[in-house]
Amino acid sequence: GAVVSQHPSRVICKSGTSVKIECRSLDFQATTMFWYRQFPKQSLMLMATSNEGSKATYEQGVEKDKFLINHASLTLSTLTVTSAHPEDSSFYICSARDGDSAETQYFGPGTRLLVL
Amino acid sequence: GQNIDQPTEMTATEGAIVQINCTYQTSGFNGLFWYQQHAGEAPTFLSYNVLDGLEEKGRFSSFLSRSKGYSYLLLKELQMKDSASYLCAVADGNYQLIWGAGTKLIIKP
Repeated sequence: GAVVSQHPSRVICKSGTSVKIECRSLDFQATTMFWYRQFPKQSLMLMATSNEGSKATYEQGVEKDKFLINHASLTLSTLTVTSAHPEDSSFYICSARDGDSAETQYFGPGTRLLVL
Repeated sequence: GQNIDQPTEMTATEGAIVQINCTYQTSGFNGLFWYQQHAGEAPTFLSYNVLDGLEEKGRFSSFLSRSKGYSYLLLKELQMKDSASYLCAVADGNYQLIWGAGTKLIIKP
């Protein structure tokens, strides 16, 4: 199956700093990537949809200036949490849709962010 | 609005069979997915149904009835490692995934 990697897997940062999370599709080209956030014992929450070469589409209530998404190539999307605060601490998961098979999303392993 | 319903939690015994149901109401339909998510990990893909009927894959089977807006995931010969959350998701008319809240499956020896 398709493989998606995420880096870093875990990050601890001070309040006010910015954190960049990378999502890569390793063996397929992903025209569309998705960024999710998941708080403990809750379901996945879609934050934004990222299309290669164009601006991301953000879900209602997600601040685009705080969560910067860049999808510069068919295999890489990045999420930058700017001026992170403790309430941004969460599990961030990316997924990628294989361009040849438009249905299935494959998930990265997730990034656990802790803001002190 | 769009809605996915699945039970919050289920308990089953090792070696037994369990069926996790999912009902949905969405704007358009481009398939239904089941994902498995172990605690602290990202979801992993289990199955995809877009046509009515049963899809079997080893110990796991998934069923879809589009007319009823209904699906189930059937797990046979349960193992302790099957303890996880099972997420039902539907791709709507725009191929946007609408997620259920997940069903936490607890397997007892």
